[in-house]
Amino acid sequence: EDQVTQSPEALRLQEGESSSLNCSYTVSGLRGLFWYRQDPGKGPEFLFTLYSAGEEKEKERLKATLTKKESFLHITAPKPEDSATYLCAVKEGFKTIFGAGTRLFVKA
Amino acid sequence: NAGVTQTPKFRVLKTGQSMTLLCAQDMNHEYMYWYRQDPGMGLRLIHYSVGEGTTAKGEVPDGYNVSRLKKQNFLLGLESAAPSQTSVYFCASSPPQGHSGEQYFGPGTRLTVT
Repeated sequence: EDQVTQSPEALRLQEGESSSLNCSYTVSGLRGLFWYRQDPGKGPEFLFTLYSAGEEKEKERLKATLTKKESFLHITAPKPEDSATYLCAVKEGFKTIFGAGTRLFVKA
Repeated sequence: NAGVTQTPKFRVLKTGQSMTLLCAQDMNHEYMYWYRQDPGMGLRLIHYSVGEGTTAKGEVPDGYNVSRLKKQNFLLGLESAAPSQTSVYFCASSPPQGHSGEQYFGPGTRLTVT
């Protein structure tokens, strides 16, 4: 069964304290791995798409990387406004399978 | 350009009542999706559509029906609501295959079934 597992479930950081979120996946034919950000009470907002092992994408303080079995979202020197739930998803055919997310809290 | 909009934002139903959730997108996207999001679980696909007049079942379709009569609209119906359908419902759209595949989400509908 295709699965997407994110860890940790929740992460509390001090402002400026860098860390990484993990997304491991098992799909028969990966056609893209996505990262989304979701703020409370809102819909997910697209961040990155990765297609092949070794690929990296960056946006401000966020960098996403991909291996054959997992992806990491690295957060460098986070700020309180980075607090959100980060969702990982993989695409297989017409369908996209989402992980449960990592809730990130950044304290000033 | 409003993106993806959903109506209503909140709704409370009694068990057995019916309702329709409306999703509209103004990006001329071919693909549209309905998800539900429950605490501790990822977004789960209910139904999706790859074009006007077409629909298909997702991961959790039971108890729901959908229609895509117009390209810009995707309707989700609950014929006889049950407490297990209490959830936040998100609609999303995306361009057709060949694009990078990211989806654009609406703001969600919070549904409570008592």
